[in-house]
Order: sequence, then structure tokens, then C-alpha cells
Amino acid sequence: KAGVTQTPRYLIKTRGQQVTLSCSPISGHGSVSWYQQTPGQGLQFLFEYFSETQRNKGNFPGRFSGRQFSNSRSEMNVSTLELGDSALYLCASSYRTLSSSGNTIYFGEGSWLTVV
Amino acid sequence: AQTVTQSQPEMSVQEAETVTLSCTYDTSESDYYLFWYKQPPSRQMILVIRQEAYKQQNATENRFSVNFQKAAKSFSLKISDSQLGDAAMYFCAYRSAIRYDKIIFGKGTRLHILP
Repeated sequence: KAGVTQTPRYLIKTRGQQVTLSCSPISGHGSVSWYQQTPGQGLQFLFEYFSETQRNKGNFPGRFSGRQFSNSRSEMNVSTLELGDSALYLCASSYRTLSSSGNTIYFGEGSWLTVV
Repeated sequence: AQTVTQSQPEMSVQEAETVTLSCTYDTSESDYYLFWYKQPPSRQMILVIRQEAYKQQNATENRFSVNFQKAAKSFSLKISDSQLGDAAMYFCAYRSAIRYDKIIFGKGTRLHILP
């Protein structure tokens, strides 16, 4: 069974540009969450998608957005990049239905974003 | 709001010895999950062990075991027979079983294994 796949693994962008990161969850998992990891702030929740709908959102500006496709794959987008957006972006996958949530969350290897 | 606290930023243990990482959490919920994740230098977050709050029995996975004290809101991780490959950042994490919510992570404990 394939794990959570994130692409690209590494990327460098210039301030003001935008970036799109992709995440393919484990087969059968409908919930995809995104986290930002930085040395100063630790692991912070960005948002969660299930059934193509954003279900939860963390405390990030509107420059951070995401979406989920019918095959559960998810993308997150960051527009007007700032130096402080440099971070490891982790995608997490878990089983979920409308009435229950899975008790195990699996992470991808992450996408390293450097903003210069 | 739920919080997770790891009071030991760094720890060291001799290879083959046993080490315990501490974690406390705060919640008003009665049904939740607790996790320990390992993040080696590759930065992949690897699930080490999971505990359901409704289960009184402490979870065990090979050399890894937890001491879950629900009333004290404590969830420590014991690593037996430490190996060099155990060197990593360890995160304690909480997730509600009632609300479809995010995982709340502690700040992490960096574990060094001394050969």
C-alpha cells in the first residue's frame, strides 16, 4: 500500500511569487490535512479537506488556500510569497466519514519551500 | 482549547539503555487519541505509537511503550534497548475523537543516542 505522496519535495521561490504543493493520500483515506513546520513556530495546522470541502482551518492568512479533488488528492497554494513562508509543509492523510474519524494519521515526507 | 506540553527539549541516552520522554496535555474532552510521532533527520513524520483514551491498557509497539495516566493527563513514551536509529525529534500529539479537528502537537523532544 503506497504511503502519502507529496510533490515537489524541494522548491525555491522568489518573494511575491506563488506556489502550489500537491498531496496524494493513502488509498481509501478521504481526509487530507496540511501542516506548516518551522523552527520557531513548530507544527501548525493549516487546513483539512474531506469530500472536496474544507472542514477545518487554522489561523493563517488568506494567502494560504487549498482544495481537494474527487479522487481525494489535495493541493495547497500560497500566493504572494513572503520570506516567512519558508518552511516544511507536511500533508497528513486519514480515514474519515461524515460521522466518524479515523484514529490514525499518516504523514507524507513533506515539501521543503524556500522563499528568497 | 487543548494543549500539549513536552517539558524536555533535549534528552540523551546510552545505546541499549531505556529512556522515557514526558508529555502532558490539557483537555476537557473524555474521548480522544494520543500519539507519539518520530521525526528523523529526513523530516518524515513516522507514527510510533497510538493510544485511545477509552482504553485503560497502555499501548505497546515492540520496544516502544506508553504510560497513559488519564486522570493526570500524562502520556509518556518509554523506549527500551535504545538504538542509534532511534535518534530523532519526538512529538507528542493529541486529536479529539469527537470533533473532526486538527492534531495538536507538542514542541518536541530531541533524543540523542550515545554510542
